[in-house]
Amino acid sequence: AQKVTQAQTEISVVEKEDVTLDCVYETRDTTYYLFWYKQPPSGELVFLIRRNSFDEQNEISGRYSWNFQKSTSSFNFTITASQVVDSAVYFCALSEIYNQGGKLIFGQGTELSVKP
Amino acid sequence: GAGVSQSPSNKVTEKGKDVELRCDPISGHTALYWYRQSLGQGLEFLIYFQGNSAPDKSGLPSDRFSAERTGGSVSTLTIQRTQQEDSAVYLCASSLGPPTVNEQFFGPGTRLTVL
Repeated sequence: AQKVTQAQTEISVVEKEDVTLDCVYETRDTTYYLFWYKQPPSGELVFLIRRNSFDEQNEISGRYSWNFQKSTSSFNFTITASQVVDSAVYFCALSEIYNQGGKLIFGQGTELSVKP
Repeated sequence: GAGVSQSPSNKVTEKGKDVELRCDPISGHTALYWYRQSLGQGLEFLIYFQGNSAPDKSGLPSDRFSAERTGGSVSTLTIQRTQQEDSAVYLCASSLGPPTVNEQFFGPGTRLTVL
């Protein structure tokens, strides 16, 4: 069975703090993809990153970084020096390549509030 | 270029009426997905179209829901005899198709309210 768990429902930080959003997934496939999406108050889902199961290298993009660990089935997302504009709901998602057509299985989302 | 567009942005209907929601994917994207976002259920997959292949309807919650994709482009999601539990935001996404799993680009959604 495939499942994505984002245990943190809400996180509140003060601007410039670092924050890590947790994501744990379950899959029986050896080939799969993991994603993070951002949903700001405007409502539209914005793609942030895609990672395949064979690439465990951590990735950094500006203030964003992702830590993928197959041993713990986790794909955590860290925002360094958070800003008010980072306030949004963040979704982690899983896609299995075989017989799934790339459909996304989403976690429940983590609502991040960054206060000035 | 243009992103995924959806219409209408908001739809209010009475219980028992039929509704049609439209999605225009990004040009050149062969894969098209419908999802539903509601407070109780989060983001749920509904249906997937890829080229001329038979769609994956495994996420449709009941036979009142159907979708079609004409000419490999525009898609319409139809909900017949709407119920209050159908109230949600319906999201459409498109992506480049197989063989790999590509990122999906989402439209702004249609907020459906069933009174």
